[in-house]
Amino acid sequence: NAGVTQTPKFQVLKTGQSMTLQCAQDMNHEYMSWYRQDPGMGLRLIHYSVGAGITDQGEVPNGYNVSRSTTEDFPLRLLSAAPSQTSVYFCASSLGRHSGNTIYFGEGSWLTVV
Amino acid sequence: KQEVTQIPAALSVPEGENLVLNCSFTDSAIYNLQWFRQDPGKGLTSLLLIQSSQREQTSGRLNASLDKSSGRSTLYIAASQPGDSATYLCAVKGHSGANSKLTFGKGITLSVRP
Repeated sequence: NAGVTQTPKFQVLKTGQSMTLQCAQDMNHEYMSWYRQDPGMGLRLIHYSVGAGITDQGEVPNGYNVSRSTTEDFPLRLLSAAPSQTSVYFCASSLGRHSGNTIYFGEGSWLTVV
Repeated sequence: KQEVTQIPAALSVPEGENLVLNCSFTDSAIYNLQWFRQDPGKGLTSLLLIQSSQREQTSGRLNASLDKSSGRSTLYIAASQPGDSATYLCAVKGHSGANSKLTFGKGITLSVRP
């Protein structure tokens, strides 16, 4: 049982480059989300999806784009990387947004923008 | 806006000690509260989830309590072990609308000395 899988684990980008962080879950979860974790700031929600074809903005969406074409996959795109986007990114999933079920996290993607 | 506070930011205890980690939140209208563990370089692992109608949950040496009216939760760890060393985060989920997202505290980094 793979759970939530994120790739890549580490990435270094130059300012202005674009890239996609991949996230996949094999638990048939409806709700998926992306967070970033920064020292002193805790985890902040970037974007989330309540099901295939439906996405919405979280607390810090600027500079990021998402899509949800399948239940399993929820990629996060950085359109034009900036040093302020240097962070650790976590993908998470749960059975439903308003359910009382546990939320599962991926292992994280460490991104450095130089 | 919901705010979640965890104090202190770091804690060091000798092995075998029973300890309590605190979490406070400003808006008592929550759907549930979760405690997570995060090991260095890893994602978050859910430890305990307490629904708003519940007072406590137990799993092994862990016990989490919830007092909605006072906006507090505690995570009790019995007979602490060096393997318990990690960062512990609490997160609250609101009921609906703008407050339905998961709001995280910044975590308490626990070190259990052999």
